[in-house]
Amino acid sequence: ETGVTQSPTHLIKTRGQQVTLRCSSQSGHNTVSWYQQALGQGPQFIFQYYREEENGRGNFPPRFSGLQFPNYSSELNVNALELDDSALYLCASSFGQRNQPQHFGDGTRLSIL
Amino acid sequence: DQQVKQNSPSLSVQEGRISILNCDYTNSMFDYFLWYKKYPAEGPTFLISISSIKDKNEDGRFTVFLNKSAKHLSLHIVPSQPGDSAVYFCAASSLSGNTPLVFGKGTRLSVIA
Repeated sequence: ETGVTQSPTHLIKTRGQQVTLRCSSQSGHNTVSWYQQALGQGPQFIFQYYREEENGRGNFPPRFSGLQFPNYSSELNVNALELDDSALYLCASSFGQRNQPQHFGDGTRLSIL
Repeated sequence: DQQVKQNSPSLSVQEGRISILNCDYTNSMFDYFLWYKKYPAEGPTFLISISSIKDKNEDGRFTVFLNKSAKHLSLHIVPSQPGDSAVYFCAASSLSGNTPLVFGKGTRLSVIA
């Protein structure tokens, strides 16, 4: 069984740039959720995709957007990067719309200079 | 406003003794609770969950207790092992309302040999 994989592991960008983070869900899972974890905080929900449709969104501005593909892999896009966007971005997959235990990838560490 | 609170940022326990990690929540709609463990440079790993119809769930050395009237849950690890040293996150959601996972800030557990 293949777990959740995320790429890249680390990324450095400057303010105003755009970034795309990628996630491959665990085999058999059709739901992907994205989280932002700032230093010293718990993961904070960004949004969730179920069968290629957005299925819930947290308190993040529209410059955070996403996609889910037919193979259930997913992308997180962030436009007009700000210094506060520096964080660990975690992807989690699960089966179904309900919040059954989600399985996390190891994250992408994004640093904004 | 933090809906899930882990008031102890850190905890040190001797190997072989019991570790008790606590979590409080404020949202009465939460009916599903999970504990995750996180090692450095890895994503959170699901440990154990409990739904609001139960007050206890056990899995090997890990037991989660839920006190709905107090809006409090705890994770007991017995016996504690050095490999248990990690950051533990409490998370909650509403299965009936299909709300996303809300995480606490985490408690860093150190098990001393």
